[in-house]
Amino acid sequence: TQLLEQSPQFLSIQEGENLTVYCNSSSVFSSLQWYRQEPGEGPVLLVTVVTGGEVKKLKRLTFQFGDARKDSSLHITAAQPGDTGLYLCAGWSDYKLSFGAGTTVTVRA
Amino acid sequence: DTGVSQNPRHKITKRGQNVTFRCDPISEHNRLYWYRQTLGQGPEFLTYFQNEAQLEKSRLLSDRFSAERPKGSFSTLEIQRTEQGDSAMYLCASSLPTGGASNEQFFGPGTRLTVL
Repeated sequence: TQLLEQSPQFLSIQEGENLTVYCNSSSVFSSLQWYRQEPGEGPVLLVTVVTGGEVKKLKRLTFQFGDARKDSSLHITAAQPGDTGLYLCAGWSDYKLSFGAGTTVTVRA
Repeated sequence: DTGVSQNPRHKITKRGQNVTFRCDPISEHNRLYWYRQTLGQGPEFLTYFQNEAQLEKSRLLSDRFSAERPKGSFSTLEIQRTEQGDSAMYLCASSLPTGGASNEQFFGPGTRLTVL
């Protein structure tokens, strides 16, 4: 059972559209990270959010950490085919990361 | 150093056989983690090392699983008497120690195990 619930599980959109992926938990995390994973590869870190209410922007990606540090969202503006992949959120608690099940994003050209 | 490497990338074995995977972390990283990822799921924590000391093991790690990091560099994960339910991607990650709220784990490409 994953501590972090991600929604939706699958998302297929057309190039140029926007998308939002959600990550929710009943637990409070000291920080939360978003990773992107491509088939046959390990996850690659995109961002770490630490402070409740924090918003971070990386080019077309916007990450938000909830005020209570239990939830987060990832918004992609004007999605491109290169954004296709599995997006994973992961929460830090003590010494380890707990991952959500991921959202598979497909951006069609 | 090109990052975390794992060998083999793919392993197919028959039920009941033993398998061993290797992970070579980034050279200056003293923390090393093992995860298991099944289809449609995120990685699940198995165990982690700080230098050569194994500091924590998940209850997912049954007595058929053993991990070592004898010299605090590379690590091995052995599965004895494999079962079909062991089929998964086994991921290794390494990181520097941190005193803050988080750190970055660098993941290897994984070893995909298929038990027939």
